[in-house]
Order: sequence, then structure tokens, then C-alpha cells
Amino acid sequence: KQEVTQIPAALSVPEGENLVLNCSFTDSAIYNLQWFRQDPGKGLTSLLLIQSSQREQTSGRLNASLDKSSGRSTLYIAASQPGDSATYLCAVEDSNYQLIWGAGTKLIIKP
Amino acid sequence: DVKVTQSSRYLVKRTGEKVFLECVQDMDHENMFWYRQDPGLGLRLIYFSYDVKMKEKGDIPEGYSVSREKKERFSLILESASTNQTSMYLCASSLRGVASNEQFFGPGTRLTVL
Repeated sequence: KQEVTQIPAALSVPEGENLVLNCSFTDSAIYNLQWFRQDPGKGLTSLLLIQSSQREQTSGRLNASLDKSSGRSTLYIAASQPGDSATYLCAVEDSNYQLIWGAGTKLIIKP
Repeated sequence: DVKVTQSSRYLVKRTGEKVFLECVQDMDHENMFWYRQDPGLGLRLIYFSYDVKMKEKGDIPEGYSVSREKKERFSLILESASTNQTSMYLCASSLRGVASNEQFFGPGTRLTVL
């Protein structure tokens, strides 16, 4: 059964730093991997979707990579800002078109 | 832009009440999903639907039912609410059939059962 793990559970860094969030999954048979952002008490916003045939996707200061063979993905945030503070979730889509979720990394960017 | 709306942001109900949570999407998506989110447990799939009048159980369907009478609307029903159903409920939608489609989420409904 697919399991998705995100480490660390929480991260606090000063403003301006570059940082990396990690996501690992146990079964490499995935259709895609998505990164989401969730602000406190709010719904989820899709940030990046990497299809299984792709290695990375970029959007602004965000870059997500995917290594299916090792079961890993990273979300790189460049030049972090206080507005980046949120919980970041990764999810993999399995063969039944369902998303399997990690528990998230709570990110705090200190001004 | 895809828009997914949920009928209530906050809801307080009493144990034993019947509760309806409504979700509407405006992008003609075939797939719709209901999740609950609890601290430390992440998102868990309750039910999903691939088309009108179709429904499939997710990981935790016990105590819930769903209704999909129209393509744009997916309702989650708590037949007899219990305190362990206090949670954040999130609805999502996506296009059907083709893998690698994004799920778009509503703002969530925070339900408290007293």
C-alpha cells in the first residue's frame, strides 16, 4: 500500500533563505505527484504538478523535482518570504486516480 | 479559473443530528471528492464520484453517505452526527479518466459536533 512521508513536520527559517521540503513515497507506480499549499483554516491551493514522465516543474520561486526510482520529491523555495509561511502538502496519484497524501510540513518564515 | 465552493465555512451541530455538506464546482469536472482533515492524520478520502449518480467508498466511509444528482454538485451526508466527526471537511474536483489531472479544492467546512 502506498505511503507518503514528509520530513520535517515543521521548519522555521529566516526570511531570504533558500529551503527544501522533502516528500517520499513507497511505491514508484504513480501517475503524478502534486505539491499543495494550505494556509491556516483554509482549503488547499495546488502549486505544482509533476507527471510521472517528468523530472521537475517550476513556477516562479518554486521548483519541484521528482525521482520515481528512489521514491522522492523535493520542493525548493528560493528567497523565502514571510508570505510563504503555510503548510505544504505533497500527494501522489495512484492507478485509481486517487491521491495519497503526506501529513505536511508546516513552514514558518521569520521576518 | 476553476471554482469549488462549499456551502458553509463553519458549522456547529449536535450529536445525532443529520448534517448535509454541499459542494459545487463550475468547471464541468466529472470527478468529485470528499476528504476530512485532522491534525496529525493528514487528508483522508471519505467518498468520491466519477459521474452523476456514481459513488465509490474511500478509505473512511463509515458514518457517511453521499449524493451526486447533478454533475456540478456533490453532497456529503452525516446520517447521525457524532463527536468523532468533528473535523475539517474538504471537497475537490478534477477532470475524469485521464491520469495526471489536478484536483482543485474548496475552502473547507469546519464542522464541530457537540
